[in-house]
Amino acid sequence: NAGVIQTPRHKVTGKGQEATLWCEPISGHSAVFWYRQTIVQGLEFLTYFRNQAPIDDSGMPKERFSAQMPNQSHSTLKIQSTQPQDSAVYLCASSLEAGAGNTLYFGEGSRLIVV
Amino acid sequence: SQLAEENLWALSVHEGESVTVNCSYKTSITALQWYRQKSGEGPAQLILIRSNEREKRNGRLRATLDTSSQSSSLSITATRCEDTAVYFCATDTNTGKLTFGDGTVLTVKP
Repeated sequence: NAGVIQTPRHKVTGKGQEATLWCEPISGHSAVFWYRQTIVQGLEFLTYFRNQAPIDDSGMPKERFSAQMPNQSHSTLKIQSTQPQDSAVYLCASSLEAGAGNTLYFGEGSRLIVV
Repeated sequence: SQLAEENLWALSVHEGESVTVNCSYKTSITALQWYRQKSGEGPAQLILIRSNEREKRNGRLRATLDTSSQSSSLSITATRCEDTAVYFCATDTNTGKLTFGDGTVLTVKP
């Protein structure tokens, strides 16, 4: 019973390059969440999908960040023209359903370093 | 996050001792969840306590919730070195997303 799978685990990219992070949610889970974690800001919500449809992207920086869920087995977070301040651990989580009272199951995260 | 915050940044105890992590929040909640994050891992849920519950237990863990003071606590008894982690509370509302506090770093020493 695999958990949430995130790839790559580590990525170093040069300033101005594009970075794409992948997430495979737990099979059968209908909701997928993306969070960003830094020492300074802590765990910040970015966006989430329910049944592949974007529901709330209120945490996404309006420029350069985009997330998609083309099918029920994977979601991507893309950062264009990466900046040093984008360096963080990006965490994906899935839950059986969206809504209050659901457990989020997190992956191990993708550590992005922008140099 | 301003919606949820743990009251202490760091705690240190010796193995076998008990410890309590406190959390305060500033929004109406449907539930409050406690998560633990070990180094190199994603957060993992420990306890979910709904707004109509006052206490929830899970093995050595006990969570309380006081909606009138908008506070919660997580107590761990008989701590072990493997309890060393960052502990987060997270507010759970009808929006479908969780808002996490800044976390409390717990170190359990042998």
